[in-house]
Amino acid sequence: GQQVMQIPQYQHVQEGEDFTTYCNSSTTLSNIQWYKQRPGGHPVFLIQLVKSGEVKKQKRLTFQFGEAKKNSSLHITATQTTDVGTYFCAGKDSNYQLIWGAGTKLIIKP
Amino acid sequence: EPEVTQTPSHQVTQMGQEVILRCVPISNHLYFYWYRQILGQKVEFLVSFYNNEISEKSEIFDDQFSVERPDGSNFTLKIRSTKLEDSAMYFCASSEARYSNQPQHFGDGTRLSIL
Repeated sequence: GQQVMQIPQYQHVQEGEDFTTYCNSSTTLSNIQWYKQRPGGHPVFLIQLVKSGEVKKQKRLTFQFGEAKKNSSLHITATQTTDVGTYFCAGKDSNYQLIWGAGTKLIIKP
Repeated sequence: EPEVTQTPSHQVTQMGQEVILRCVPISNHLYFYWYRQILGQKVEFLVSFYNNEISEKSEIFDDQFSVERPDGSNFTLKIRSTKLEDSAMYFCASSEARYSNQPQHFGDGTRLSIL
């Protein structure tokens, strides 16, 4: 079946360093959504990308959707402690199901 | 801001027992979902529900699972005969439209522990 692979599983950064997580789908996606889950919390919607090659920004967060609509990335510039959590991508397939990536856990080194 | 609410926050059940997890979606939302997240792992889609019937379901959502909207506000997930591997966090979510167009709003989850 369709899969969305997300890497890395974990990323340890010093506060102030950048963070990036990548998602790759085995098939073309209609769109992709990004969610953030704080430790002990529930997923919270961040953004949706629909168009091929789309780039969206939310303050220090930059989201990209690949030209082939098979990959996406989230980049955080100058991480802060409030960025800690797990970031999930979720791609919509042709059957309208959201296929979730495994998530990338952002850990800020003390 | 309107929220999805889930009860109970933690449910402890003996293996083989039935359990019902409850959710109150956001009032003007039309699509409802259940997800499962085993501790520290990915979010897994279980089922979506629209217009009083299941829209899609995953391979996880077998005959042991059922969903119901018993009244105008509640949306429930029933597991008929729980197994140890059913232990997980169960999230309910709702959206105004099918997920391709609108974000899903998640509740705080019910932690299900099977003994």
